[in-house]
Amino acid sequence: AQSVTQLDSHVSVSEGTPVLLRCNYSSSYSPSLFWYVQHPNKGLQLLLKYTSAATLVKGINGFEAEFKKSETSFHLTKPSAHMSDAAEYFCVVSLLAAGNKLTFGGGTRVLVKP
Amino acid sequence: DAGITQSPRHKVTETGTPVTLRCHQTENHRYMYWYRQDPGHGLRLIHYSYGVKDTDKGEVSDGYSVSRSKTEDFLLTLESATSSQTSVYFCAISERDEQGSEQYFGPGTRLTVT
Repeated sequence: AQSVTQLDSHVSVSEGTPVLLRCNYSSSYSPSLFWYVQHPNKGLQLLLKYTSAATLVKGINGFEAEFKKSETSFHLTKPSAHMSDAAEYFCVVSLLAAGNKLTFGGGTRVLVKP
Repeated sequence: DAGITQSPRHKVTETGTPVTLRCHQTENHRYMYWYRQDPGHGLRLIHYSYGVKDTDKGEVSDGYSVSRSKTEDFLLTLESATSSQTSVYFCAISERDEQGSEQYFGPGTRLTVT
């Protein structure tokens, strides 16, 4: 079975400071991993994905994530937070054995203070 | 939102009544999915479709049925709504059903069962 754990349900940062959202997964197989963002009352938008190529993945809006197999982690970072980054972020895993069935983490809500 | 619409966007209904939610896509993607979103759980897969008239159950399918008579439409039906089905429902589409394929999400339907 696969599962995804987002270690923080809420993160608060000041504008201009770095953002770190932590995600750990459990899987017996090589996973594909995604980060999605959901702004208030909106659908989900793909930020970036890892599919066994480069372990450091760059996404939209200055976000990037690093796949670390030894730590079973896929943490999302951004060097400098912007007010528009206030949203909920989901770490998601899919496995070859499960087709394209996605398993979502519980989400991390990001608050950006001016 | 990648040519995906959901209707209605908001609905309030009473316990025991039937409810149908509609997902419509203009992308001609083969794969379509219904998820529900609840606080702390991320999104969980209810049902999915891999073609016209081809559907299968997801993680939380009890109390839900689906139909897909055309490529562009995927309907989710609650035969007899219960308060535990109060949630936000998202439709997603995908061009391929293999590990690492992106899913694109609609804007969501907020359903309240009183």
